[in-house]
Amino acid sequence: DSGVTQTPKHLITATGQRVTLRCSPRSGDLSVYWYQQSLDQGLQFLIQYYNGEERAKGNILERFSAQQFPDLHSELNLSSLELGDSALYFCASSASSGYRTDTQYFGPGTRLTVL
Amino acid sequence: AQKITQTQPGMFVQEKEAVTLDCTYDTSDQSYGLFWYKQPSSGEMIFLIYQGSYDEQNATEGRYSLNFQKARKSANLVISASQLGDSAMYFCAMREPRNNAGNMLTFGGGTRLMVKP
Repeated sequence: DSGVTQTPKHLITATGQRVTLRCSPRSGDLSVYWYQQSLDQGLQFLIQYYNGEERAKGNILERFSAQQFPDLHSELNLSSLELGDSALYFCASSASSGYRTDTQYFGPGTRLTVL
Repeated sequence: AQKITQTQPGMFVQEKEAVTLDCTYDTSDQSYGLFWYKQPSSGEMIFLIYQGSYDEQNATEGRYSLNFQKARKSANLVISASQLGDSAMYFCAMREPRNNAGNMLTFGGGTRLMVKP
């Protein structure tokens, strides 16, 4: 158990809908990251928050947004869902914002299926 | 351009034998970090081992060790005494500094390891 929690574990929804994925980092970690794992794109970095502020952005679609709250939990919002958004979404956390040895610990993931 | 290359999509190893999973990377930075993660069929990503570009010794963590060859830009994972529970996908990942802004990992395509009894 990494100490990172994600809810829900599974999510099935329809095209055009909006969903929210939730993540709680390990105790003491200030950074939260979101990754998407799909069969065709592999594991891709979406976005990082550090202590409530956006720190780095990857290949995140404009239909997707995220935030980190004062209690450090994070939410990833996916809207106008398309079939291609079906994937495993991981949240990870780490202690700092960018120190090179900083290790990211991953949550169990949320499997999103868009029908 | 592919930054992390794992050339072995799938591998078999006999239980109790050692196995090496290949990883090559591409970066122009001098300071970077290399990570290996394990993803069992249940789906979670489990951190295994870390190697820093400035580390003089190869990293070791229990049965896992990293064969780091900086000049060749390779960071191969060695698993000794394979166990059935080692059957999983293994991902190599790299963290490059981005002017200290952010800590994103770039992942390779993964290697599926299957341990035979």
